[in-house]
Amino acid sequence: GIQVEQSPPDLILQEGANSTLRCNFSDSVNNLQWFHQNPWGQLINLFYIPSGTKQNGRLSATTVATERYSLLYISSSQTTDSGVYFCAVEQNTGGFKTIFGAGTRLFVKA
Amino acid sequence: KAGVTQTPRYLIKTRGQQVTLSCSPISGHRSVSWYQQTPGQGLQFLFEYFSETQRNKGNFPGRFSGRQFSNSRSEMNVSTLELGDSALYLCASSLGFDTQYFGPGTRLTVL
Repeated sequence: GIQVEQSPPDLILQEGANSTLRCNFSDSVNNLQWFHQNPWGQLINLFYIPSGTKQNGRLSATTVATERYSLLYISSSQTTDSGVYFCAVEQNTGGFKTIFGAGTRLFVKA
Repeated sequence: KAGVTQTPRYLIKTRGQQVTLSCSPISGHRSVSWYQQTPGQGLQFLFEYFSETQRNKGNFPGRFSGRQFSNSRSEMNVSTLELGDSALYLCASSLGFDTQYFGPGTRLTVL
């Protein structure tokens, strides 16, 4: 099956710093999402981005489907950005059979 | 619009028992997916229901089952609980083809 690898596995930032999180996938996908899991376990949608670039405030994401990777950019990080960031992909199964990466655990220091 | 709701939020069971978890999707959403999250295995797909039909299934034993009702609410059942079933169980709803929205999860502890 498809493999999803995220890097780095852990990241510690000083408040105000910028960061780039990467997601590589081993096969073509027709759906890619980025999520943030807060300390209480809630998964929050960040982007639905099977291809192209999107921006939402301090966050932006780019997916290059032909090269099988996606990047999540966090600018001017805040302590509330701490948590785990997941990349999740779908192949064409006629529905959802989502494969998640292992996540990047981010800690932003005040 | 109200988000995805899951009940109960916390549950403690003993080995051998069975458990039923409930998920109410966002109004208008017809797809409900279930996931198991553990520290060792991460987030793993269990199954997806769309308009009361199981559309996709992950690699879990038959002890894990689910169903969806005509109002799109879904339940998942785990029979003969094992210690390894202790996990955060998440459900997600969708219109059926793109963005998934997750509920807060049910944390199951098996003693």
